[in-house]
Amino acid sequence: DIQMTQSPSSLSASVGDRVTITCRASQSVSSFLNWYQQKPGTAPKLLIYAASTLQSGVPSRFNGSRSGTDFTLTISSLQSEDIATYYCQQSFSTPRTFGQGTKLDIK
Amino acid sequence: DVQLLESGGGLVQPGGSLRLSCAASGFNFDNYAMSWVRQAPGKGLEWVAVISGDGGSTYYADSVKGRFTISRDNSRNTLYLQMDSLRAEATAVYYCARGGFCSGVYCHTISYDRTGFDYWGQGTLVTVSS
Repeated sequence: DIQMTQSPSSLSASVGDRVTITCRASQSVSSFLNWYQQKPGTAPKLLIYAASTLQSGVPSRFNGSRSGTDFTLTISSLQSEDIATYYCQQSFSTPRTFGQGTKLDIK
Repeated sequence: DVQLLESGGGLVQPGGSLRLSCAASGFNFDNYAMSWVRQAPGKGLEWVAVISGDGGSTYYADSVKGRFTISRDNSRNTLYLQMDSLRAEATAVYYCARGGFCSGVYCHTISYDRTGFDYWGQGTLVTVSS
């Protein structure tokens, strides 16, 4: 199985900050990497698929990139509504593994 | 609008069974792979199973293989998860989620299911406890 390792596990930042979350795959997943945002008590929301394609309706301050087996989710200017837990997930093979999550809050 | 509505959750004793349903609307159900994803209380997301658009291909997480069965009724636009031999560690909110789009013969596989889960249900809570 492909293991997905996110870092950091938690993060505090101020409104307006640039925030970066990293996800590393234990083996190649090509660009089949997706990012989700989950707010407490709600279902996850797809932000980015195929490593860097923004899902329709997602603000352009969210950006995804790939370098080999390392993937990055960047929020260019943190807004208060971005407080949530973020998960990466590979869709290269089954099982479709998720990272353990990164909890983002306001400093 | 795309909607996914889960039902069937509840309290069940260890060793018991439960069948979850996910009623889909607002899209051509048989043109999409569908998955179940669960989340234990206070924990992260865990993918459970996927089924191809025509129902001909299914894949499972090792943690549920042999005990859970994913299926779909395309005439009823409904996805199912039959859960048998339930253990306490199955306690979680179970979400159904829409996967990739397919057409024609490709709907027999999940090779197109690469673009993530773009719609999710609200989740249904399953509690396994005596």
